[in-house]
Amino acid sequence: EPEVTQTPSHQVTQMGQEVILRCVPISNHLYFYWYRQILGQKVEFLVSFYNNEISEKSEIFDDQFSVERPDGSNFTLKIRSTKLEDSAMYFCASRPWTSDSTDTQYFGPGTRLTVL
Amino acid sequence: LAKTTQPISMDSYEGQEVNITCSHNNIATNDYITWYQQFPSQGPRFIIQGYKTKVTNEVASLFIPADRKSSTLSLPRVSLSDTAVYYCLVGDITSGAGSYQLTFGKGTKLSVIP
Repeated sequence: EPEVTQTPSHQVTQMGQEVILRCVPISNHLYFYWYRQILGQKVEFLVSFYNNEISEKSEIFDDQFSVERPDGSNFTLKIRSTKLEDSAMYFCASRPWTSDSTDTQYFGPGTRLTVL
Repeated sequence: LAKTTQPISMDSYEGQEVNITCSHNNIATNDYITWYQQFPSQGPRFIIQGYKTKVTNEVASLFIPADRKSSTLSLPRVSLSDTAVYYCLVGDITSGAGSYQLTFGKGTKLSVIP
């Protein structure tokens, strides 16, 4: 069964550094998402991406965040200058286009980001 | 977005049927009900989705009464590996071109006891 993959599984960085989290969505999926989950808290929506542009973003997704689909297979989340509060699990998800009004987002295993 | 309410936690013995009920009193006409499962340190996994009446797949059943103000996820004969957090989500999946974002609550932490 096809899967969403994410790299790295764990990223440790110093405060103020830039990080890029990588995702390979399921091929032929058209919609892509990033979510994050701070330890012990809810899964929170960050951003959705379709047709090479951001569809929607949450308040969390400020100017420090950006997303890109550089080569048609990878989907990246960049945090320009990390803060301690950015420490969380970051999940990528993808979704196919369907005509039958059902919706399934497929999540990756996540990248645990630790900001020191 | 319709707000959902579900129990914070539930315990069950192995082999029993587990029913987790979610209330969504303000569900809108175009809203669908979707359940996800999350194991520790893993991403959420889609379980089942429905609009009304009953939906069944190889993993679970979803019961939705006529007024759609609640829904019940039924897991038959749970095993230890079903220990996870279960999320009930409500939203209009037909709106927008893929802009449907998932809004997770705190979910129900199911603990299966041997």
